[in-house]
Amino acid sequence: DIVLTQSPDSLAVSLGERATINCKSSQTVFYSSTNRNNLAWFQQKPGQPPKVLIYWASTRESGVPDRFSGSGSGTDFTLTISSLQAEDVAVYYCQQYIATPLTFGGGTRVEIK
Amino acid sequence: QVQLQESGPGLVKPSQTLSLTCAVSGDSLSSGAYWSWVRQPAGKGLEWIGRIHASGSTEYNPSLKSRVTISFDTSKNQFSLQLRSVSAGDTALYYCARGNFYVDFYLWGQGTRVIVS
Repeated sequence: DIVLTQSPDSLAVSLGERATINCKSSQTVFYSSTNRNNLAWFQQKPGQPPKVLIYWASTRESGVPDRFSGSGSGTDFTLTISSLQAEDVAVYYCQQYIATPLTFGGGTRVEIK
Repeated sequence: QVQLQESGPGLVKPSQTLSLTCAVSGDSLSSGAYWSWVRQPAGKGLEWIGRIHASGSTEYNPSLKSRVTISFDTSKNQFSLQLRSVSAGDTALYYCARGNFYVDFYLWGQGTRVIVS
């Protein structure tokens, strides 16, 4: 199984400041046939199901604010919230879809400092 | 607008079978998508259980494979999850989800909580 390790487990950031979440994969999630990284980022707010923010490591889902961005390739990925807003308080998960079993990172809780 | 809605017993006894249904509205199970089940123990992370493709082919998480069946009920436009021989470790919030061509969990249901006790 591909193991995704997220860091940190939690972080507290002041409103308007940058939040950075890392996701490291135990194997590459780069799919050479498509030249894409099969990695997604999800946001889960309390009492809600997860919501996709980013797919193919860096493509923002329609309707997602542009303060959210994804980067990285191969085994190392980052989700950045450029200017944290109150509504961004949530747990964030990375997820790989290059191989089954599909797996998620352990999650990173983002709070307001 | 596509919507998914999970349903099933909220309480299951140990060693019995957990059976859940995901009703799909606004879309057809034969649309070519993958349809998945994911679970989340309280306060913990997400675990993929398995999926079924529009063709009827299935894939399961090896950690659960011996106990899981996912199937379609096309007449009702819903798909189901059966998890056999449950124990306390199967207590969780169970989600169904739809994939699309670029991400496996594009749309989620609200989830249904199952307690094994």
